[in-house]
Amino acid sequence: DTGVSQNPRHKITKRGQNVTFRCDPISEHNRLYWYRQTLGQGPEFLTYFQNEAQLEKSRLLSDRFSAERPKGSFSTLEIQRTEQGDSAMYLCASSLLGTGENYGYTFGSGTRLTVV
Amino acid sequence: AQKITQTQPGMFVQEKEAVTLDCTYDTSDQSYGLFWYKQPSSGEMIFLIYQGSYDEQNATEGRYSLNFQKARKSANLVISASQLGDSAMYFCAMREMEYGNKLVFGAGTILRVKS
Repeated sequence: DTGVSQNPRHKITKRGQNVTFRCDPISEHNRLYWYRQTLGQGPEFLTYFQNEAQLEKSRLLSDRFSAERPKGSFSTLEIQRTEQGDSAMYLCASSLLGTGENYGYTFGSGTRLTVV
Repeated sequence: AQKITQTQPGMFVQEKEAVTLDCTYDTSDQSYGLFWYKQPSSGEMIFLIYQGSYDEQNATEGRYSLNFQKARKSANLVISASQLGDSAMYFCAMREMEYGNKLVFGAGTILRVKS
């Protein structure tokens, strides 16, 4: 297992277009988190899944954002009708319930979104 | 109110010297965990060290140690014998049992190691 994988690494899109990002967590990890990080700031929590169930969504996650984890494995984050304010790094992390508490969460390298 | 406060936007340290990065936190939860992550310019978040709220001893991992002062709600990261490769952004984060185990991050401190 090579860790948490995120695709694409970079995405440039025109305002108003829809974009979708994918995250493949570490295979045995049952928890998956999405974060957004703007330049010079710390990551902000967006949502998380335990297996296929989406357990929490931040108020930052407007109705233009939707996330899925259909089979409890990979996850997708879709942004509809993108706005310039959506430009950020989108980070995915995974953990195994019972070990994440002690050993942190494994993060992917992120998808950098630029909306022009 | 900010959950995690990192008051140092940027720090410089001479190679081979020690440096302390400050972090204070705010929680009413009795059970929580504190983490430090390193983010180099390439963007990935690298886990460095963890301290549980019930841990009586300060956590250490190689050149990293966490100065945990529970009553003052501070969790400072100490990096000993700084290396040029330590130049990066450093984030303090907290996980609260009451809030679903998600991490809440501070704004970060950028560390530059001078040769």
